[in-house]
Amino acid sequence: QKEVEQNSGPLSVPEGAIASLNCTYSDRGSQSFFWYRQYSGKSPELIMSIYSNGDKEDGRFTAQLNKASQYVSLLIRDSQPSDSATYLCAVRNTGGFKTIFGAGTRLFVKA
Amino acid sequence: DTGVSQDPRHKITKRGQNVTFRCDPISEHNRLYWYRQTLGQGPEFLTYFQNEAQLEKSRLLSDRFSAERPKGSFSTLEIQRTEQGDSAMYLCASSLMTLTGKGAEAFFGQGTRLTVV
Repeated sequence: QKEVEQNSGPLSVPEGAIASLNCTYSDRGSQSFFWYRQYSGKSPELIMSIYSNGDKEDGRFTAQLNKASQYVSLLIRDSQPSDSATYLCAVRNTGGFKTIFGAGTRLFVKA
Repeated sequence: DTGVSQDPRHKITKRGQNVTFRCDPISEHNRLYWYRQTLGQGPEFLTYFQNEAQLEKSRLLSDRFSAERPKGSFSTLEIQRTEQGDSAMYLCASSLMTLTGKGAEAFFGQGTRLTVV
């Protein structure tokens, strides 16, 4: 079992729709969770962090965390073509030293 | 520019040569990470420093790889006797350790793309 798993996609949504990206992790003791956006050929850019169960909203982005289910998700409302990128889920392991990344989900937003 | 800076941005080298990459973290950050990323994969952890101390190395990091962070400021990653399988994007990230340990979001540099021919 991979430590952080994501559906590789591609996930295709029309402009203006809600994009839903999901992630599961194996280390039950993990405390910190992050979503990064990565455009082709560029480095990852942090867009959201979440540490407690529930929802955290920032503009068009909402991160959701369910530690009991070991599940993290990212919702993007009013998706724009500029949101087309790979979205990486990252989990900081128990002990807090190392951040493990999933392989990423490719998102395409069609104009 | 106060972000993480990496140099060079691109490096093409012949198999068997040694290469060295540099990373300058965000100035107040005390943690520095090196990751490697290949096409279609997420960043893969290589090693991590807290100040000048190298606290963890991935089992995937062979003896040909070495990293340093003298004086807890910039860091270098050296690859000796490069192989074609070393071709990848090498990413550096930095973060600020907090007392709670819960924060410390990591911010990435632009990366160094290595091509071994």
